[in-house]
Amino acid sequence: GENVEQHPSTLSVQEGDSAVIKCTYSDSASNYFPWYKQELGKRPQLIIDIRSNVGEKKDQRIAVTLNKTAKHFSLHITETQPEDSAVYFCAASRSGGSNYKLTFGKGTLLTVNP
Amino acid sequence: EAGVTQSPTHLIKTRGQQATLRCSPISGHTSVYWYQQALGLGLQFLLWYDEGEERNRGNFPPRFSGRQFPNYSSELNVNALELEDSALYLCASSGDGEKLFFGSGTQLSVL
Repeated sequence: GENVEQHPSTLSVQEGDSAVIKCTYSDSASNYFPWYKQELGKRPQLIIDIRSNVGEKKDQRIAVTLNKTAKHFSLHITETQPEDSAVYFCAASRSGGSNYKLTFGKGTLLTVNP
Repeated sequence: EAGVTQSPTHLIKTRGQQATLRCSPISGHTSVYWYQQALGLGLQFLLWYDEGEERNRGNFPPRFSGRQFPNYSSELNVNALELEDSALYLCASSGDGEKLFFGSGTQLSVL
């Protein structure tokens, strides 16, 4: 089955700096890669996603890149703010079909220091 | 529009007992997913229900089971509770089979 590795497990940055979180996946048939943000005591929420036919996607200060050949994808947050502090999860799946299962990485605790 | 709702918020059980967790999906969503979030282990996939049928299950023992009702709400049952079952159980629903919308979870504590 799919295995998703996520690094680093913790990341501390100064406000205004950039943050990068990296993930690798094992199943070459995976074609959907979302990122979820979970603030302390709250539910995970989808912040951005990318499909395998796209190499990069941006949404304001957040961007995700995908390298299908190397089977890795990354989340980039620019101009970080204290409200970006949360646990971020990457995930991978084969979209569609009866075996659909979203497999998550173990998460990255991002702390943005004012 | 109401989001995914889960009940109860907290559940305390003793080892060997059974736990029942409930989930109501977003209106119009037919798929419900259950995940276990234990400390340091991320979100572990448990079960996927769609149109009342179990479509896929994760690497969990058979004492983790569930069902989906005709109104698409779902129930997760955990039998013969063990201490290591203590975790946050998250339910999610999806309308497109990709984007998951999570509930706030049920914190299960097994004493």
